[in-house]
Amino acid sequence: SQTIHQWPATLVQPVGSPLSLECTVEGTSNPNLYWYRQAAGRGLQLLFYSVGIGQISSEVPQNLSASRPQDRQFILSSKKLLLSDSGFYLCAWSKTGYTEAFFGQGTRLTVV
Amino acid sequence: DAKTTQPPSMDCAEGRAANLPCNHSTISGNEYVYWYRQIHSQGPQYIIHGLKNNETNEMASLIITEDRKSSTLILPHATLRDTAVYYCIVRVDNYGQNFVFGPGTRLSVLP
Repeated sequence: SQTIHQWPATLVQPVGSPLSLECTVEGTSNPNLYWYRQAAGRGLQLLFYSVGIGQISSEVPQNLSASRPQDRQFILSSKKLLLSDSGFYLCAWSKTGYTEAFFGQGTRLTVV
Repeated sequence: DAKTTQPPSMDCAEGRAANLPCNHSTISGNEYVYWYRQIHSQGPQYIIHGLKNNETNEMASLIITEDRKSSTLILPHATLRDTAVYYCIVRVDNYGQNFVFGPGTRLSVLP
């Protein structure tokens, strides 16, 4: 069966510090991968999606970036965090041509 | 992707059926209707999806109107653990298509 791992579960970082969140998927190959952000009390905002290694599409311009160094690995990064980067970050995957997307348990980031 | 409209909140008594509506009046012929839910501080959980026929699984039933402009998610016997935000999404099941979430409906199951 397929599983998605996302870590860390919680993170507190100072303003201006770098960020690296990692997401890995097991039990499938060539998945579509997604990064979402959810601000407190708000809906999910799609940040990035990837349909293959090295292929990243950005939905919202910001100081975040994403990379996909391996087929089942998706990384969300920032060189310098802002207070507004605080939120709940979710990774998800889906199969091309299949219907459901499956989500990780999320990382709650607080920038202080 | 077509937009969806859902009531911001609903209450349901424990043990009763919860009927969550969704309007998607501009849905295209090849767009599916999906439902997800998000329990506080967790990732969204897939519930069910359909194109034009009614669907049922172990979690819920999905009723899509004949004109496909609206749908209803039915939780037949709601429990306290069904308290969550429920999202209705329409999307084309194509290569690279994304899952775009709206604000959803906050369902509160009351004892």
